[in-house]
Order: sequence, then C-alpha cells, then structure tokens
Amino acid sequence: RKEVEQDPGPFNVPEGATVAFNCTYSNSASQSFFWYRQDCRKEPKLLMSVYSSGNEDGRFTAQLNRASQYISLLIRDSKLSDSATYLCVPEGGSSNTGKLIFGQGTTLQVKP
Amino acid sequence: NAGVMQNPRHLVRRRGQEARLRCSPMKGHSHVYWYRQLPEEGLKFMVYLQKENIIDESGMPKERFSAEFPKEGPSILRIQQVVRGDSAAYFCASSAPRGRGANVLTFGAGSRLTVL
Repeated sequence: RKEVEQDPGPFNVPEGATVAFNCTYSNSASQSFFWYRQDCRKEPKLLMSVYSSGNEDGRFTAQLNRASQYISLLIRDSKLSDSATYLCVPEGGSSNTGKLIFGQGTTLQVKP
Repeated sequence: NAGVMQNPRHLVRRRGQEARLRCSPMKGHSHVYWYRQLPEEGLKFMVYLQKENIIDESGMPKERFSAEFPKEGPSILRIQQVVRGDSAAYFCASSAPRGRGANVLTFGAGSRLTVL
C-alpha cells in the first residue's frame, strides 16, 4: 500500500463551484497533517495544517479522520487562481523522524 | 527574511559529471530536507539533516548521492557521475527546531538539473 494515496484528477470545475479532494495515508502513527499547493513547476507552498477537530480558513476546510486514516480538503466558491495541484502531506514514514511524505497530488483546473 | 535559498536554479551536466546543489535554510531554521521531483511525478523524500548530522537518509539512492549540512555554510546535495535519470527538480525545504512549529516546511524555488 502506498504511504499516501490521492486521486490525481484532473478535476475540471467552473468558477464558483465547490470541490472536494480526499486522501488516505498508511502510517497510523502520523501526528501532523498538512495540505500543500503546488503551481506548475514551482515549489510547494503550505495551504493549511489539518487538525483532528477540522479547521477552516476562508473558503478552505480541512478534515481529518484518524480512525479511517483519511484527510479531506473542501474548496468553496472556486476561483481561477485556485487552479493548481493539491498535495496531501502526513508526517511519518516507518522511522517517524518527522519527515513529511507527499502524495502525488490532485490537479484542479477552474474554468471561467 | 530571504526565505529558503537554492542555487543554482538551473544546472546542465553531461553524463558522468558531478552536480552540486546548495541550499541555505530560512533564518532561524536548523532542519533541512531534500526532495526530488521527476517530471510528471510527486515529490519524493531524499534526506533530512540538521547541522552536522544526517537524521534520516532513507530516501537517498544507495550510490552516487550524498548530502551534508556543515556547521557553517549551506546544505549541499551532491550527485556524482550523473545519468539521464537524475534529471529532475530538486527541492530543499527547512523547518524550525522540533517543538516550535516543527514540520511546517518552507520550500526553496528548486534546482532543476538536466543531464545531457
């Protein structure tokens, strides 16, 4: 089983749509979780941390389900500028030294 | 705050040459991570270092690749005898010491290696 699994997409949505991405991870010992955003050929940038209670940052909502080892990201009222690849990132790996493991990413294309 | 600085941004090497990629972490960060991204693929963890220590090198290829983070100066990822399959974007990231915003990685703009 891969350490992180994401649907690569692409997700093609119109402006204003709500879109949700899901991710599963294999390391039950992971303690920290993040969503990063990567624009084409550029460096990943932190979008938001993911907390057990769920958290919201403007149009973005992240949820964590530890029992199912599942993380989600919801984007409301999509903007053209949201077009990017969204990377699910749990901490971990078998040695649990704190390194972050990046999923392959889910590509979002927001159309006018 | 200049952020994470990587150089060179672009590097072209012929097969068999050596590539050296440098990374200066953000001010106040003492942890450095190297990731590799092949074309059309995700980021793969290579190595995690603190000053003068390799903490986790489980993602490093067994041969030709090495990394260091000396007491003074930038972290260096060294690839000896490069092959075409080494062509990729190499991203460096840094984080604060554990317990103070640890695991929130800030990335550099990457070094793109092309092997002819």
